[in-house]
Amino acid sequence: GAVVSQHPSRVICKSGTSVKIECRSLDFQATTMFWYRQFPKQSLMLMATSNEGSKATYEQGVEKDKFLINHASLTLSTLTVTSAHPEDSSFYICSARRTENTEAFFGQGTRLTVV
Amino acid sequence: AQRVTQPEKLLSVFKGAPVELKCNYSYSGSPELFWYVQYSRQRLQLLLRHISRESIKGFTADLNKGETSFHLKKPFAQEEDSAMYYCALSGRLSSNTGKLIFGQGTTLQVKP
Repeated sequence: GAVVSQHPSRVICKSGTSVKIECRSLDFQATTMFWYRQFPKQSLMLMATSNEGSKATYEQGVEKDKFLINHASLTLSTLTVTSAHPEDSSFYICSARRTENTEAFFGQGTRLTVV
Repeated sequence: AQRVTQPEKLLSVFKGAPVELKCNYSYSGSPELFWYVQYSRQRLQLLLRHISRESIKGFTADLNKGETSFHLKKPFAQEEDSAMYYCALSGRLSSNTGKLIFGQGTTLQVKP
């Protein structure tokens, strides 16, 4: 299967700072990438859909100014958590797919802790 | 409302016993259903999807539109099946494919 890599795997940041998480498709070009958030012992919640070269589509209740998503190339999407607060601490997971109707592959996730 | 429900948080069985992980869904349209698995310390990976109708690692799942269910079954559980299993749904419209709605997940524990 195709490989999707997230960086960093873990990050600790101070409250009020911003942190960027990268999602890369290593061996394929991803027309669409998705960002999910997972709270402890809970399910994955879709935050936004990111299409290369266009603005991300955010799910209801997700603040677009808080969670900035950029999909600058067919192999890279970034999620920036701006002015992070402790309640933003979570596990963030991205997935990527080549084209419509193809399987989405998942990254290993990024554990964000805001102190 | 679009929703995926997995009623069991934990399912514990002995090796060799049959397994059924339940999944019910709610979707206004024709969805595509998936089962994803996450082994300890590994990333989420696709186990099977209803349109391919295959059996992966001995697991099968049949889409029952009348009962809006997509239960995952295996006749004889193995210890290596122990993992977290997520049922997920995607819309058939191109704008929705790949955009997955996940259930809460069920931890399968297979005891020796």
